Amino acid sequence: DIQMTQSPSSLSASVGDRVTITCRASQGISNYLVWFQQKPGKAPKSLIYDASSLQSGVPSKFSGSGSGTDFTLTISSLQPEDFATYYCQQYNSYPLTFGGGTKVESK
Amino acid sequence: EVQLVESGGGLVQPGGSLRLSCAGSGFTFSDHYMDWARQAPGKGLEWVGRIRNKANSYSKEYAASVKGRFSISRDDSQNSVYLQMNSLKTEDTAVYYCVRGGYGSGHYFSDCWGQGTLVTVSS
Repeated sequence: DIQMTQSPSSLSASVGDRVTITCRASQGISNYLVWFQQKPGKAPKSLIYDASSLQSGVPSKFSGSGSGTDFTLTISSLQPEDFATYYCQQYNSYPLTFGGGTKVESK
Repeated sequence: EVQLVESGGGLVQPGGSLRLSCAGSGFTFSDHYMDWARQAPGKGLEWVGRIRNKANSYSKEYAASVKGRFSISRDDSQNSVYLQMNSLKTEDTAVYYCVRGGYGSGHYFSDCWGQGTLVTVSS
């Protein structure tokens, strides 16, 4: 199975900050990576797919990059509605696997 | 608007069975792969399994943790997908999500999620 390692597991940031979250795959997954945002008590919402393609309706402050084993999600200017937990998931091979999550909290 | 609505969750004893349903609307259900995923209380996300579309023979994939105990099926005439869960264990306690497979540049990815249904396995 492909292991997905996210870092950091949590971070504290302020409104307006640029935030970067990293996801590393235990083996190459090409660009088959999706990023999700999840708020407490809610279902996950996809933000970025194919590592860098913005999902329809998602604001452009979110961006993704990477290929192979190393990927990043960037929020260019953090807003109050962006405090949430973020997950990556690889869909290169079965079983599909998630990272452990990154909780973005208010500083 | 894409909607996925799960039902069928509840309390079940260890060793018991439960069948979850998910009704899709707002998209051409039969074109899409459909997944199930779960999230134990206070924990991260876990993929459970997938059923492909008719063009791909409705073939299925499962996580090792549920293989042989859980089974996914679908009825495209009802725009529905199902998760039959047998031999349930306490560690299967989780919110179960129905997820649509969206198509990117080469593979299907999890793009739209239902609101989830809670399954509690306890005596």
